[in-house]
Amino acid sequence: SAVISQKPSRDICQRGTSLTIQCQVDSQVTMMFWYRQQPGQSLTLIATANQGSEATYESGFVIDKFPISRPNLTFSTLTVSNMSPEDSSIYLCSAPTSGFDNEQFFGPGTRLTVL
Amino acid sequence: KQEVTQIPAALSVPEGENLVLNCSFTDSAIYNLQWFRQDPGKGLTSLLLIQSSQREQTSGRLNASLDKSSGRSTLYIAASQPGDSATYLCAASGSARQLTFGSGTQLTVLP
Repeated sequence: SAVISQKPSRDICQRGTSLTIQCQVDSQVTMMFWYRQQPGQSLTLIATANQGSEATYESGFVIDKFPISRPNLTFSTLTVSNMSPEDSSIYLCSAPTSGFDNEQFFGPGTRLTVL
Repeated sequence: KQEVTQIPAALSVPEGENLVLNCSFTDSAIYNLQWFRQDPGKGLTSLLLIQSSQREQTSGRLNASLDKSSGRSTLYIAASQPGDSATYLCAASGSARQLTFGSGTQLTVLP
């Protein structure tokens, strides 16, 4: 299994500002994923972050709004830029284990409230 | 595009009952299917993973089945306990390992 931590665990931000969320994995992983969970909803994939290449964004998500860094095999950041109240969500990172099983593990999430 | 549906959306049962949660997916070309548990305000805990070539997996009181041809998976919980109360999510993994989630079943087990 993989142990994943995220910082911050929660934050309250003002409209128009940006927040960077950090995700740390306790082992080297090739892929990392960022998901958003809006209030009362399920999880939606934002982007896939592979080390050494640009992140791949899902439909409806753009790099200018959600820039992602992946400087090494254990760490990634997601920035939520120019925030509006609609960005209030839980943001979660995940990583699959290496090998055939590809079981995915999730961080505890970052609860973001935008005023 | 993969779509995952879970029914029922909410379920309330008395302690000790056996129960089944349902998950269906539209694209049978999945890599695997994973069941998660989410407690209020918390992240996701992986419960069971079924590879596309497998039919079922068991862990303790939990048993998950997979029928790719019909696009269905079920999570069976035996002898439910109040501590099982949570939201249960199923997620289908695509070829790029990204997960598509269902909307979840909110389970309440009454003491």
